[in-house]
Amino acid sequence: TQLLEQSPQFLSIQEGENLTVYCNSSSVFSSLQWYRQEPGEGPVLLVTVVTGGEVKKLKRLTFQFGDARKDSSLHITAAQPGDTGLYLCAGAYSGAGSYQLTFGKGTKLSVIP
Amino acid sequence: DTGVSQNPRHKITKRGQNVTFRCDPISEHNRLYWYRQTLGQGPEFLTYFQNEAQLEKSRLLSDRFSAERPKGSFSTLEIQRTEQGDSAMYLCASSPSTPDTQYFGPGTRLTVL
Repeated sequence: TQLLEQSPQFLSIQEGENLTVYCNSSSVFSSLQWYRQEPGEGPVLLVTVVTGGEVKKLKRLTFQFGDARKDSSLHITAAQPGDTGLYLCAGAYSGAGSYQLTFGKGTKLSVIP
Repeated sequence: DTGVSQNPRHKITKRGQNVTFRCDPISEHNRLYWYRQTLGQGPEFLTYFQNEAQLEKSRLLSDRFSAERPKGSFSTLEIQRTEQGDSAMYLCASSPSTPDTQYFGPGTRLTVL
């Protein structure tokens, strides 16, 4: 059974602060996706990372894929109230012969104005 | 293209009733997935189609669950003899063959009374 751990589970910060969310597994990912989900809605794709060591930026969000492709991080600079939501990482595992995604439990972020 | 759509968005039913959900994927995507998400958890994989062929099923998909994708376009997920434990958000996602990035619909929230 593949396990994917996210930390922290909950994060409450003031507007303008920086934060980092982590996603870890003991197994190698073939690719990893980050999503943001609002209450009552489906996850919305933020980014897909595929290559070990890859860094992708999306405005104030920076995504990094670990060199060994077992971990990833999401860094938000100068958080805004609009960043509030549930951040989910999801991995497809190498050699599994499967296209299913395994999700972490998510990080619930609250940005206080 | 408006993305993945799901109907209905909400369904309330009594225990023992049958329910059916529909998913319309992004039109050129040949892969379609169903996931289930309960409160405080990330989505969990249920099943996957490549065109009309159901290629993978999770052990979460009991005999009361059946999914179809008859013409390789829309898909339906049916739950027979619903139980209270079936209450969850049912999410559909689709992806092209390459890259294998999954895009989610808004979900169907099922409540079994």
